[in-house]
Amino acid sequence: DTAVSQTPKYLVTQMGNDKSIKCEQNLGHDTMYWYKQDSKKFLKIMFSYNNKELIINETVPNRFSPKSPDKAHLNLHINSLELGDSAVYFCASSQDLGDEKLFFGSGTQLSVL
Amino acid sequence: QQQVKQSPQSLIVQKGGISIINCAYENTAFDYFPWYQQFPGKGPALLIAIRPDVSEKKEGRFTISFNKSAKQFSLHIMDSQPGDSATYFCAAKTRGSNYKLTFGKGTLLTVNP
Repeated sequence: DTAVSQTPKYLVTQMGNDKSIKCEQNLGHDTMYWYKQDSKKFLKIMFSYNNKELIINETVPNRFSPKSPDKAHLNLHINSLELGDSAVYFCASSQDLGDEKLFFGSGTQLSVL
Repeated sequence: QQQVKQSPQSLIVQKGGISIINCAYENTAFDYFPWYQQFPGKGPALLIAIRPDVSEKKEGRFTISFNKSAKQFSLHIMDSQPGDSATYFCAAKTRGSNYKLTFGKGTLLTVNP
């Protein structure tokens, strides 16, 4: 059983399209995150949710909209995709906001052509 | 503004050697310093972590050394093995309402057989 699973693993799309990435964790954690890893491997937090409530929004463009239907799921929808959105997007979870150990998914490699 | 500076960017070590990766931080409010290990095509995974009240933490072949006055910490991998080849990220986190993990830019470690 994969603790934090993301789909799809690869996503290739044209500029201007809208796409979604789904994330699910079966660890019973309260807090979930989206991180972006650029081509130079730099990891940067985008969003965090705690019990479906948005906690962190790191000045991410409005084209990115996270949605948490329940505390086990955190999806990421991206509108009007741009070339600069090409990156690997990682979902992660932790027991709660105060727990410092993050469990990451395997990532979704997004390529915008 | 990069809050956690990591060096070197890449490192090549012979099997059995010692790998050393260094990180420096600026924000004295940081109170948790983890190291994450990432293999190609996978998400980062927590390797070892330290708090500023101790100067060293050892887990197997992996040791964190922490120098609070210099605001520096380092990862030492003793008896490095080819299976240790991965990208290593240092990170730091502040206690408080914003539980954000800030990553260094990563070090690509290659251990030659």
